[in-house]
Amino acid sequence: AQSVTQLGSHVSVSEGALVLLRCNYSSSVPPYLFWYVQYPNQGLQLLLKYTSAATLVKGINGFEAEFKKSETSFHLTKPSAHMSDAAEYFCAVSARSGSARQLTFGSGTQLTVLP
Amino acid sequence: EAQVTQNPRYLITVTGKKLTVTCSQNMNHEYMSWYRQDPGLGLRQIYYSMNVEVTDKGDVPEGYKVSRKEKRNFPLILESPSPNQTSLYFCASSPRGENSPLHFGNGTRLTVT
Repeated sequence: AQSVTQLGSHVSVSEGALVLLRCNYSSSVPPYLFWYVQYPNQGLQLLLKYTSAATLVKGINGFEAEFKKSETSFHLTKPSAHMSDAAEYFCAVSARSGSARQLTFGSGTQLTVLP
Repeated sequence: EAQVTQNPRYLITVTGKKLTVTCSQNMNHEYMSWYRQDPGLGLRQIYYSMNVEVTDKGDVPEGYKVSRKEKRNFPLILESPSPNQTSLYFCASSPRGENSPLHFGNGTRLTVT
């Protein structure tokens, strides 16, 4: 079984401030980890993914995430928030389960960027 | 353009009236999946399909059916909708591997009265 926990359903930052969105996971097999972003009235879009090649992963729009196995974490960061970053962010874990793919999403974090 | 297309975008119906939400992808993806999104609960998987004629239950399959007769299509069927199925639904697809990111449709907002 696997699970994803996103700490903080709502996060507010000022424009220009650091963005930190937290994600912790549990998985009985080596996982693949993803961050997705959802803008209003749209589907989810991939921000970045961890597939074991490198622990620090760079994504689109200046976001990056670091995989820390010892902490079972995959937190998302951006050095300087823009107004356009306001959206909902989802962390997801994917792993093989027998012949199938098990994919689990966190409950999401709504990011508000204050002017 | 590579995309996942869901229809309709908005649907209002009454309890017990059968409905189908269509999903089609043009990327030749083996894996397809349906999710429902509810406030505070994130995305919960309803059903998924690893390939044509192969479907399996996700975390919340009760009250839903799916079929995968063709690789590109993965319709979601509600035989007798109930108000607790009011939600935002997303279809997604990806290549087979567990390291492949999902491509999502734009969603279907369903209201059952």
